[in-house]
Amino acid sequence: DIQMTQSPSTLSASVGDRVTITCRASQRISTWLAWYQQKPGQAPKLLIYKASTLESGVPSRFSGSGSGTEFSLTVSSLLPDDFATYYCQEYNSYSFGQGTKLEIK
Amino acid sequence: QVQLQESGPGLVKPSQTLSLVCTVSGGPIRSHYWSWIRQPPGKGLEWIGNVFYRGNTNYNPSLKSRVTLSVDTSRDHFSLKLSSVTASDTAVYYCARDTGDALDYWGPGILVAVSS
Repeated sequence: DIQMTQSPSTLSASVGDRVTITCRASQRISTWLAWYQQKPGQAPKLLIYKASTLESGVPSRFSGSGSGTEFSLTVSSLLPDDFATYYCQEYNSYSFGQGTKLEIK
Repeated sequence: QVQLQESGPGLVKPSQTLSLVCTVSGGPIRSHYWSWIRQPPGKGLEWIGNVFYRGNTNYNPSLKSRVTLSVDTSRDHFSLKLSSVTASDTAVYYCARDTGDALDYWGPGILVAVSS
């Protein structure tokens, strides 16, 4: 099984900040990585797939990068709607990271 | 717009089989893999498995011995059966469309509690 490790587990930030969440795979996965946003009581929402491809309708302030074992999700300028939990998922064995809760500072 | 909706019992007794159905609307079921994912209360996401419309399946190794996925193209739905449940199987269960790159459409989820 491929293990996915996200960091940090919790991130405190303010509206307007630029933030980055990282995801590390225990094995090389090329660019087979997706990022999701989940708000309380809601299903996850796809943000990015193939490590850096923005899903249709997702704001351009979200971006993804990386390949192999190291990946990142960046939000260029936080809006109030962005405070949520974010998960990465690798697409070889479908494992999810443990999640990063982005909270208001 | 593709929509998915989970349905099934919200309470299952320990040792019994959890059975859920995901109904797909707004798009063909004969086009993608279809996944199940679960999330215990207050915890992270766990992929359970996926099924293709032709019946091909892939399972999470940690659940493989207890999971059966199937698809009914005549009813535009796919199903999850999880046997020998315990309290640790209490979770919100989601179904989702699987593009091979990501899970792009999700159902709203259904909470299933395992309790006597």
